Amino acid sequence: AQTVTQSQPEMSVQEAETVTLSCTYDTSESDYYLFWYKQPPSRQMILVIRQEAYKQQNATENRFSVNFQKAAKSFSLKISDSQLGDAAMYFCAYRRGDDKIIFGKGTRLHILP
Amino acid sequence: DTEVTQTPKHLVMGMTNKKSLKCEQHMGHRAMYWYKQKAKKPPELMFVYSYEKLSINESVPSRFSPECPNSSLLNLHLHALQPEDSALYLCASSQDLGGTFSYEQYFGPGTRLTVT
Repeated sequence: AQTVTQSQPEMSVQEAETVTLSCTYDTSESDYYLFWYKQPPSRQMILVIRQEAYKQQNATENRFSVNFQKAAKSFSLKISDSQLGDAAMYFCAYRRGDDKIIFGKGTRLHILP
Repeated sequence: DTEVTQTPKHLVMGMTNKKSLKCEQHMGHRAMYWYKQKAKKPPELMFVYSYEKLSINESVPSRFSPECPNSSLLNLHLHALQPEDSALYLCASSQDLGGTFSYEQYFGPGTRLTVT
């Protein structure tokens, strides 16, 4: 069975600094998708970034980028120039095709002014 | 418009009550989902509808009854709930279920349910 592990329950970063959230996963499949979702307090969950496993190039979305290491089954999220609005729970997630999304337990990110 | 709306935002109900949660999207999406999220936990999938037909039921107790009256609307009917059912109930939609391709799911803000 597929699993997603986020080993950092909470992290803090100074505003304008860079922070990296870790995620590892376990699967025997070769084709799948990986996601980072952001859920701010009392606000809805949004997709931050997605990575197709068949693509070697790491995905980027403005200040958000990933380090996808397929062999190591690692999928970390880097947030550059952290802003107060980045404070949220971040969920790493795995999905294969139309199977259900497998979420990690989440990392609560605090931004220090 | 990439919005999924949910009503009500908050709901308090007794264990003998019957209530319904409503979810709506106007993005033309053909797949809709119900998730349950406990505090500080990730969402757990409950039901999936595809083209208005129930596609997946994750062994959810019968006191939760989903309904998809049309392609834009998804309801969750609640009856005889237990206090442990108190949680944030999230609705999501996607363009399609996908096959080898995984479509993005758009989440609503959720209904915070308290069962007393």
